[in-house]
Amino acid sequence: GNSVTQMEGPVTLSEEAFLTINCTYTATGYPSLFWYVQYPGEGLQLLLKATKADDKGSNKGFEATYRKETTSFHLEKGSVQVSDSAVYFCALYGQNFVFGPGTRLSVLP
Amino acid sequence: NAGVMQNPRHLVRRRGQEARLRCSPMKGHSHVYWYRQLPEEGLKFMVYLQKENIIDESGMPKERFSAEFPKEGPSILRIQQVVRGDSAAYFCASSPFASGSGGYNEQFFGPGTRLTVL
Repeated sequence: GNSVTQMEGPVTLSEEAFLTINCTYTATGYPSLFWYVQYPGEGLQLLLKATKADDKGSNKGFEATYRKETTSFHLEKGSVQVSDSAVYFCALYGQNFVFGPGTRLSVLP
Repeated sequence: NAGVMQNPRHLVRRRGQEARLRCSPMKGHSHVYWYRQLPEEGLKFMVYLQKENIIDESGMPKERFSAEFPKEGPSILRIQQVVRGDSAAYFCASSPFASGSGGYNEQFFGPGTRLTVL
């Protein structure tokens, strides 16, 4: 079946550091790929998405590129802020959503 | 336009009791999805409902769990005779259109209900 693997956390960075959170997937067909963010005490919010190979999703300074050849969708941001502290979930959508386990990011001032 | 609402936000039950979790979708949304998040894990799909119909319950445990989305009122996820392993965060999402083989339609998530079974 479909599955998503992502980098284990927690990840702790200083403000303005570069962020990469790795995500790889296994799927039949051509799923859509997503990054969701969960702030403390809240539900998931869609951060960005890509629906086909080589698409780049971007939002709020975050980017991820759908790489079919490596089955990856790594999340990157050039300069993180304290307000980016949250749990980040990589997910794919084929028939239903399949989520990765989440990566907790803490950004220190 | 209010987002997806879930209540209660926190629910404590003793083993053997029943838990009822409510989800009010966004206005105009007639498709509801329930997910379970165990500690340190991602969300796992449980069930997809449309008004008065269960469309996909492939992620729902066969026993003790049930879900409904009546014509009027919120969607209800019901867990009978709860056990400690049911302790988790339960998230509801809604979308305005059907999701499935026809493609993706964005799902909007509620804040979740955190169930603790003592």
